[in-house]
Amino acid sequence: GAGVSQSPSNKVTEKGKDVELRCDPISGHTALYWYRQSLGQGLEFLIYFQGNSAPDKSGLPSDRFSAERTGGSVSTLTIQRTQQEDSAVYLCASLYGGVKTEAFFGQGTRLTVV
Amino acid sequence: AQRVTQPEKLLSVFKGAPVELKCNYSYSGSPELFWYVQYSRQRLQLLLRHISRESIKGFTADLNKGETSFHLKKPFAQEEDSAMYYCALSGNTDKLIFGTGTRLQVFP
Repeated sequence: GAGVSQSPSNKVTEKGKDVELRCDPISGHTALYWYRQSLGQGLEFLIYFQGNSAPDKSGLPSDRFSAERTGGSVSTLTIQRTQQEDSAVYLCASLYGGVKTEAFFGQGTRLTVV
Repeated sequence: AQRVTQPEKLLSVFKGAPVELKCNYSYSGSPELFWYVQYSRQRLQLLLRHISRESIKGFTADLNKGETSFHLKKPFAQEEDSAMYYCALSGNTDKLIFGTGTRLQVFP
């Protein structure tokens, strides 16, 4: 594709429901990041996938958050039992090779938990 | 641990004034440092990286290892520079960490 694609663009969900956010990276990019963007918090690192290596999950805020990357391409971020504090914009970025290369970002998914 | 600090949430200047967006980092090894920018209603995108030692849109940034800083500078701000600017760092683990961002407002 032309760039990193995220879906949905917007998601409103009720507190306690589970949500899945999808990221389609640029074809051939081996690295994929998830970030959470909220006012005053900047870009909070969540998780990082690089090739076939075990993902770096050190940024996931709780065990309600999980992510997977299938076939080294599409990634899904799942938030279980959503809470109001989960409301934020979730950004995905992909890179060709290591982090010294440019990170290409998606447009983000705005999650609102009501 | 890797850490990036951007002390200013908002920086307001008039067109033609010099701009300096501050970035300090904490990392024990040799860092790779970047500035990313997000214009209104656009995606976050790379502005420049220290390893390239380049000037993009009139912006430059010099890595000062003694002061652990990577401040972004432009001698004459333009209205189109108004955006959110994020400083980012990566270390040997390849984890790309961002600061909290600084919103630059350039008034006419």
